[in-house]
Amino acid sequence: EAGVAQSPRYKIIEKRQSVAFWCNPISGHATLYWYQQILGQGPKLLIQFQNNGVVDDSQLPKDRFSAERLKGVDSTLKIQPAKLEDSAVYLCASSLVGPNEQFFGPGTRLTVL
Amino acid sequence: AQSVTQLDSQVPVFEEAPVELRCNYSSSVSVYLFWYVQYPNQGLQLLLKYLSGSTLVKGINGFEAEFNKSQTSFHLRKPSVHISDTAEYFCAAGSGSARQLTFGSGTQLTVLP
Repeated sequence: EAGVAQSPRYKIIEKRQSVAFWCNPISGHATLYWYQQILGQGPKLLIQFQNNGVVDDSQLPKDRFSAERLKGVDSTLKIQPAKLEDSAVYLCASSLVGPNEQFFGPGTRLTVL
Repeated sequence: AQSVTQLDSQVPVFEEAPVELRCNYSSSVSVYLFWYVQYPNQGLQLLLKYLSGSTLVKGINGFEAEFNKSQTSFHLRKPSVHISDTAEYFCAAGSGSARQLTFGSGTQLTVLP
């Protein structure tokens, strides 16, 4: 089966610019997650969707980050405006409903200059 | 909320030697635990998981882990490592109905020839 797809793989922008990341989960996976992984740290959950509804966005910096999953399939994460500290790898993961493993995409490495 | 502590940030070991990567989690009524591996410039790949049942869990690539409730630990072991096992390893814990995972800060395993 196809895995979780993410694009772009790499992005370099200047601070105060905007950027968007795209994720397509594994077919049939109702739950979708966005994580931020700063160099040298473990992934930190930003937002969790179940179908097209938000389950948890308590750690999403809502003044600059937004995410949507309009049709309950693919998702977009946006940062506007970007700050230097947003430099990280943004990982998307998906899972079936329940305490199942999460399947991760390859990530998007964002560098903010 | 869960917290996960990986006690060693870096573990160097010689090829064919045994290895143990340590992980402790905060206590919870019901917890489920995962070990993921991350190779450079790739997403996370599941090694093994504990949801319930037998406390000794076997995973891919010869890895195993033991769930110890009294010590709130879930250490990862392999009896004989290969050069190809060089990677970052993350322990993750989840609990509750939201199915969210909290990741540790990671352990870099380096296998030396």
